[in-house]
Formats: sequence, structure tokens, C-alpha cells
Amino acid sequence: GAGVSQSPSNKVTEKGKDVELRCDPISGHTALYWYRQSLGQGLEFLIYFQGNSAPDKSGLPSDRFSAERTGGSVSTLTIQRTQQEDSAVYLCASSFMGNLYNEQFFGPGTRLTVL
Amino acid sequence: AQKITQTQPGMFVQEKEAVTLDCTYDTSDQSYGLFWYKQPSSGEMIFLIYQGSYDEQNATEGRYSLNFQKARKSANLVISASQLGDSAMYFCAMITNFGNEKLTFGTGTRLTIIP
Repeated sequence: GAGVSQSPSNKVTEKGKDVELRCDPISGHTALYWYRQSLGQGLEFLIYFQGNSAPDKSGLPSDRFSAERTGGSVSTLTIQRTQQEDSAVYLCASSFMGNLYNEQFFGPGTRLTVL
Repeated sequence: AQKITQTQPGMFVQEKEAVTLDCTYDTSDQSYGLFWYKQPSSGEMIFLIYQGSYDEQNATEGRYSLNFQKARKSANLVISASQLGDSAMYFCAMITNFGNEKLTFGTGTRLTIIP
């Protein structure tokens, strides 16, 4: 079956613009996660969805970042008034349910460059 | 809070040799899961192996095995008979029962296999 897909694969934007990043999880996966990977770094957790609700938004770095999930499927991560430090690869993952035992399957990521 | 430590930023290994990638973790939770992911230069995150905190036997998946030493809080990845295609970044990660289902990642080890 299809894996996690993300779009766009690459996004170049100017400082101050808003961007939207999209994630399509694996069909039937109830849990969805957003992570950020800065150059040469490990992955940093941003937000987690169980269904359409987000029990944990603790990783969002500022109020310029927001995310939503509709229909228990597609999720959109929005960054308003982008800054150069927002440049990173944004990775989405999904799992059958969010718990200790379920592998998170990752998408290919969106590489965001803020000029 | 949970923490993953990977102390080897880079390793060079001769093809066909075995390699051990170190990972130590810190958590006060009794229930947790440990994962290893591989990230090739293409950027995708590939799940390799999982170990649950209550699993008595070390996990194995083909050429990958996890040397789980609970008392020492270590979860080293062992790759047997290394291949050129094993060259990649390797991340150790942890999920805990009370960690809101997010993966906490280490900073990774860049493994290079030498022909």
C-alpha cells in the first residue's frame, strides 16, 4: 500500500511569508506526528494528533506554528511570517495508534528554505 | 523528561565487518520502547528494529540486533556483515508511556562503510 506522502517536497520562500506543508498519512493510521530536522541534527518533535485532536502541542516552537488535521486523515502544518531559522526538513509520520508498540512510518519530508 | 544519547558522531567500518552503534537513554518511566531508524542520504527515515522495556530477549531483524542492557540503560545497535548500502545516518529513539507518544531522538551516528 501507499506510504506516508508529503507535499511539497521542496519549498523556498521569502522571510515573512506564510507556508503550508501537507501530510497524507497511511490509510487507517489514527496517530500522526510532525517533526523538524535542522541541518545535521536529530529530529525534534513538534506536534502529535490522535484522530483530529492534538493532545500534545508542546513541541511547537512559537505561536507562528500551527497544525490541523481533518477527517482523521490529512494534516497541514502552517508557519506564519517565516523566519530564516525555520529552514529545516519537516517530517511527518503516522502510526496505527499512538502508543509504545506501534512503529511510526515516516514520509519523505518537506525541505523548507527561508531566504 | 526523556533523553537519548548517541556519543559517536561518525564511524568508519570496513565492509563485511560487524559494527556496534552506541545508544544510552534516560527515563524514569518503567514502560518504554526503543527504536533504531536509518536515514540514507535520500532523507527518508527507515525503521530498523524495536525493543520494548519488558522484552526479555534482545530484538533481532535480519542483520540487525539490539543489545539491550536495561540496568545500564543502553540499547546498542549491532549490524553484522556490513554492506556498502549500510552507509547512512542512524538514529536511536525512545517512546515512553507518559511521554505523550512522541519519539525522542538522539543526535545520530553517521556510519560510513569502506569497500
